[in-house]
Amino acid sequence: AQKVTQAQTEISVVEKEDVTLDCVYETRDTTYYLFWYKQPPSGELVFLIRRNSFDEQNEISGRYSWNFQKSTSSFNFTITASQVVDSAVYFCALSVNTGTASKLTFGTGTRLQVTL
Amino acid sequence: NAGVTQTPKFQVLKTGQSMTLQCAQDMNHNSMYWYRQDPGMGLRLIYYSASEGTTDKGEVPNGYNVSRLNKREFSLRLESAAPSQTSVYFCASRFDRYSNQPQHFGDGTRLSIL
Repeated sequence: AQKVTQAQTEISVVEKEDVTLDCVYETRDTTYYLFWYKQPPSGELVFLIRRNSFDEQNEISGRYSWNFQKSTSSFNFTITASQVVDSAVYFCALSVNTGTASKLTFGTGTRLQVTL
Repeated sequence: NAGVTQTPKFQVLKTGQSMTLQCAQDMNHNSMYWYRQDPGMGLRLIYYSASEGTTDKGEVPNGYNVSRLNKREFSLRLESAAPSQTSVYFCASRFDRYSNQPQHFGDGTRLSIL
């Protein structure tokens, strides 16, 4: 069975601070995909990034960066110089092929509050 | 660009009433999914349709039924609503069952059962 753990339930930072959201996953499959989604206060789910299990390169997109480490089964997300617009719930998710289809297993989410 | 459209956006039901949540996608995706989101639980898969004509149970299927009406539409039905089904429901779609491309989500339906 697959499992995703986001141990940080809520994080509060002041604007311009850097913040890292942790994600630890469990799977016995050697081929899998990891995702991050953002859910702003308006409620929709916005896709941020996908990473496959064979690609351990870190990724940077503007103020966002992701650190994938298979050795620790972690896929952490860092926001540099946070802004109020980054306030949202962030979900990490894991996808493996189960025979009939690949399905997403979500973590419980981390609520990020960025204040002025 | 509609993407995934869910109706209604809000609904209040009484215990025992039935209801169908509608979902339609215009991206020519083959696979569609229904999730529920509860506080502190993340999103949990209720049912999915890997392709037109097929449906399968997810993690929490009890109390729900689904219909893949055609390639575009995937509905979720509560036959006899219970307070435990109060939740936010999300529909999602993806190009195909194995692509591992990101799922595209609708805006959600907030459902309250009294």
